[in-house]
Amino acid sequence: DADVTQTPRNRITKTGKRIMLECSQTKGHDRMYWYRQDPGLGLRLIYYSFDVKDINKGEISDGYSVSRQAQAKFSLSLESAIPNQTALYFCATSSGEEKLFFGSGTQLSVL
Amino acid sequence: ELKVEQNPLFLSMQEGKNYTIYCNYSTTSDRLYWYRQDPGKSLESLFVLLSNGAVKQEGRLMASLDTKARLSTLHITAAVHDLSATYFCAGIPNTGNQFYFGTGTSLTVIP
Repeated sequence: DADVTQTPRNRITKTGKRIMLECSQTKGHDRMYWYRQDPGLGLRLIYYSFDVKDINKGEISDGYSVSRQAQAKFSLSLESAIPNQTALYFCATSSGEEKLFFGSGTQLSVL
Repeated sequence: ELKVEQNPLFLSMQEGKNYTIYCNYSTTSDRLYWYRQDPGKSLESLFVLLSNGAVKQEGRLMASLDTKARLSTLHITAAVHDLSATYFCAGIPNTGNQFYFGTGTSLTVIP
């Protein structure tokens, strides 16, 4: 089983719909992150959490919210999806400032 | 914030040749990371560089860090087709705790 699991793998939705992307990890890491990847732009940080009671905005948090339900679970929500949120979304974990471990990604398309 | 610039953005090279990917960053950092992404896949960690002058090698890849020049390099020796992928560098500024990514270098190794 994967150490960092994202669901769903693919999602197509319509403008204005609420969407939740889920991430769970079995690595026992305290730190969890949500990134989005767009062609030519690399990875940009949306939100990150260093423990269950800690939530921080990243570079591009507008239009997104997160919930850290447990040490192992970190979900990303789009309250009202818009087309420019079409992207590949990655969840990642780390132990301190050691390397990031990434999930398989969620390809989201907003029509 | 840490601005991370990679060059080149695209690289096509013949098998057997050597080449270097450069990663410049904007502010003081002694924590630099290299990741590899295969098409349609997630990112996997290649190297973690945590001090000035750090050098790490794995197979045909060697990464180095010069914190005074704010530069990391990823050197490819005698390229083979299996090295075709997108390579990302990322850093954490000394005054912060977030990973900032470059836009990636798409490498194609031609037989």
